[in-house]
Amino acid sequence: GQNIDQPTEMTATEGAIVQINCTYQTSGFNGLFWYQQHAGEAPTFLSYNVLDGLEEKGRFSSFLSRSKGYSYLLLKELQMKDSASYLCAVVDSNYQLIWGAGTKLIIKP
Amino acid sequence: ETGVTQTPRHLVMGMTNKKSLKCEQHLGHNAMYWYKQSAKKPLELMFVYNFKEQTENNSVPSRFSPECPNSSHLFLHLHTLQPEDSALYLCASSQDINTGANEQFFGPGTRLTVL
Repeated sequence: GQNIDQPTEMTATEGAIVQINCTYQTSGFNGLFWYQQHAGEAPTFLSYNVLDGLEEKGRFSSFLSRSKGYSYLLLKELQMKDSASYLCAVVDSNYQLIWGAGTKLIIKP
Repeated sequence: ETGVTQTPRHLVMGMTNKKSLKCEQHLGHNAMYWYKQSAKKPLELMFVYNFKEQTENNSVPSRFSPECPNSSHLFLHLHTLQPEDSALYLCASSQDINTGANEQFFGPGTRLTVL
């Protein structure tokens, strides 16, 4: 079967750095997405990785290792507004998005 | 503003009611999706439409009936739902299907409660 694993919840301090991991086992791979979802709002696109390595976009970076079936989202200089759920999703061989259950990130002052 | 709107935002219905959820996208996309989001569970893909044609129906019970009159509008008709159908229903759109970098744009969702 296809499976995406990510931690259910994480807590971090304002101004710090946090890494949210995502491991996957899917039938084929055509890329990996990270989305951010604030409570009661729509998921919004953060990043897409299809090649190995680190992609940096401002305070957020996303890393992919296809051989390990592993990705992480790195958030730097945390702000209170970063409190949200972070969803990992993999595009499988049929171009279907396989979603993780999301990681709820709580930022404390 | 994500370019995808959904109405209503909240809906409470009894098990014998009939209601419809509406989604509209203003992005000129060709594909539209319905998802179910339950607490602490992955997004569940329900239906996919590409150029108004349904391409996916992931074993969704017949009490959920989608309708896509054109590439900009998507409906989900609800009939004789069960309490376990209570969830957030998200609509999304994308330029195409069957590509890897196929970013989906989501609406804010309809919070559905079935009594």
